[in-house]
Amino acid sequence: GAVVSQHPSWVICKSGTSVKIECRSLDFQATTMFWYRQFPKQSLMLMATSNEGSKATYEQGVEKDKFLINHASLTLSTLTVTSAHPEDSSFYICSASIHNSPLHFGNGTRLTVT
Amino acid sequence: LAKTTQPISMDSYEGQEVNITCSHNNIATNDYITWYQQFPSQGPRFIIQGYKTKVTNEVASLFIPADRKSSTLSLPRVSLSDTAVYYCLVRYNFGNEKLTFGTGTRLTIIP
Repeated sequence: GAVVSQHPSWVICKSGTSVKIECRSLDFQATTMFWYRQFPKQSLMLMATSNEGSKATYEQGVEKDKFLINHASLTLSTLTVTSAHPEDSSFYICSASIHNSPLHFGNGTRLTVT
Repeated sequence: LAKTTQPISMDSYEGQEVNITCSHNNIATNDYITWYQQFPSQGPRFIIQGYKTKVTNEVASLFIPADRKSSTLSLPRVSLSDTAVYYCLVRYNFGNEKLTFGTGTRLTIIP
């Protein structure tokens, strides 16, 4: 079946630094990828929709200048958390869409900002 | 986007059949119903998807009544490893429509 790979699986960074998270579709081409954030004991919250070759579409309340999304190829989307702060600590999950098929999710990235 | 409602939590004993029902009153004609399982610190894992009547695979069954306003995920003979959060979602299957998660059902299996 389709596989979505996320890297890194966890990262610790200092406040004020930037962190990049990669999401790859390993055996299929994904024109659309989605980025979610999940806080402990809560559901997944959609942050943005990443479209290959065009600008991402952000959900209301998500700062596009803070969460930079790049979808330069059909197999790779990246999320960069810029100037990270402790409140950005969360579990970030990407998913990829194939036409006429269920969404496939990566295994998530645990970000801890100290 | 169709909104889904499901119980916040459920408990069950090992070996029993577990049924989790989800309501989606405003499901659209082209929407499919999909269930995901999520373990702590992992991404959601696809369980089963259906459009109407009954779908069965090696891990679960999905029952969808004729009006499609609800669906029931059935897990046969659960084990401790089935303790997880289960999400019911509806999505237009033929496009790149975004998927919005509800609260999910936290299933706890008791030994």
